[in-house]
Amino acid sequence: GIQVEQSPPDLILQEGANSTLRCNFSDSVNNLQWFHQNPWGQLINLFYIPSGTKQNGRLSATTVATERYSLLYISSSQTTDSGVYFCAVSMWGGSQGNLIFGKGTKLSVKP
Amino acid sequence: GAVVSQHPSWVICKSGTSVKIECRSLDFQATTMFWYRQFPKQSLMLMATSNEGSKATYEQGVEKDKFLINHASLTLSTLTVTSAHPEDSSFYICSPSGSYEQYFGPGTRLTVT
Repeated sequence: GIQVEQSPPDLILQEGANSTLRCNFSDSVNNLQWFHQNPWGQLINLFYIPSGTKQNGRLSATTVATERYSLLYISSSQTTDSGVYFCAVSMWGGSQGNLIFGKGTKLSVKP
Repeated sequence: GAVVSQHPSWVICKSGTSVKIECRSLDFQATTMFWYRQFPKQSLMLMATSNEGSKATYEQGVEKDKFLINHASLTLSTLTVTSAHPEDSSFYICSPSGSYEQYFGPGTRLTVT
């Protein structure tokens, strides 16, 4: 099956710093989403981005489908950005809802 | 985004008992429901997929007789953990499918003592 690898696994930042999280996937996808899991476990949708670039406030994401990777950029990080960031994909030709998750990047933003 | 609720949000039960978890999609009709579980400090793993009115399809390694899924309506799906054991303690999350973008319920934390 498709493999999803996220890096780095852990990231510690000082408040105000910028960061880039990476997601590599091993096969063609028809869905790629980035999520932030808050301390209570809720998965918060950040981006639906099987290809292209999107921005939402301090966050932006780029997926280069032909090279099978996606990047999540966080600028001017805040302590509330702390948590685990997951990349999830579904295989091309399969159900878009059948998501395969990476292991996540645990982000800690220090004041 | 879609509004999804789960009930209960957390439950503690004794080994050998059964627990039912409800998942409701509040603002759209979900023809398909995905159930995931997440063990502590791990990622989410798909357990099963159910389509409204038909039997669920389980991922390899997930016991269908232990994790009973009912998807009787387009807005409600239930997951029943039967004869729960401590190793079933986990965070269970539902994800109704209504469009290309997937949304997730808030999760149910199950602890089996």
